[in-house]
Amino acid sequence: DVKVTQSSRYLVKRTGEKVFLECVQDMDHENMFWYRQDPGLGLRLIYFSYDVKMKEKGDIPEGYSVSREKKERFSLILESASTNQTSMYLCASSFWQGGTQYFGPGTRLLVL
Amino acid sequence: GENVEQHPSTLSVQEGDSAVIKCTYSDSASNYFPWYKQELGKRPQLIIDIRSNVGEKKDQRIAVTLNKTAKHFSLHITETQPEDSAVYFCAAYYGGSQGNLIFGKGTKLSVKP
Repeated sequence: DVKVTQSSRYLVKRTGEKVFLECVQDMDHENMFWYRQDPGLGLRLIYFSYDVKMKEKGDIPEGYSVSREKKERFSLILESASTNQTSMYLCASSFWQGGTQYFGPGTRLLVL
Repeated sequence: GENVEQHPSTLSVQEGDSAVIKCTYSDSASNYFPWYKQELGKRPQLIIDIRSNVGEKKDQRIAVTLNKTAKHFSLHITETQPEDSAVYFCAAYYGGSQGNLIFGKGTKLSVKP
C-alpha cells in the first residue's frame, strides 16, 4: 500500500511566522504535489516536483515555496504566514505524471 | 487556461436511487480522467478512472463514461448507500509529459436512508 504522511494534522500559527509543512511518501514515487483545499474551490495546485531538487509552480504559488532535497520528502514553506493562508493543505505523490495520485491525510492550518 | 467544470455542487438522493455527477473539460488533448472520493475528515482516494481510448468503465456500483467529442465525462453510482455520502472530485490530465491534473470543484453527495 502506498503511504503518504504529513508532519502535522493541525497547526496554529501567527501572522508573519515561517511555516514548514512536510510530506513523506514511501513508494519511491518520482512526482509529488502540494494542494490547497478550500470549501467551494476544490483542490488547487500550489507547487509540484518531478524529481529531486526540481520544482514547478502550480496555479497558486504566490506566498509559498517548496523544497525537495530527497526523493521521498517534499516540503511546503510559507515564508511569512498570512490569515488568507488558513486552509487545508494536501500533499500527494504519483509514480508518473499522468498516473494515480495518492494523497496524504492533510494538514489543517490556522493562521491567526 | 485549462478548466474542469463539475456539476452539481451538491446532490441529495434517497438510498437505493442512482446518482450522476458530470464534468466538462476544455483541452481536447486530455487523456486521463480520474474520480476521487473524499469522506468527511479523510483524504481523497481514487475510486475509478478512465483513459481517452475507452468510452465506459464499470466497477461494481460505479461507472464512468467519457464523451470525447463533447469533452465531458460522468460518474454514475447505482443503488446508492449511506456510505456513498462524500465529496466527489473529477479531474482531467493536461499537458502531455509535463502535465498535471486539474480538479473540478467537487460535488457533495448526501444519501438519505
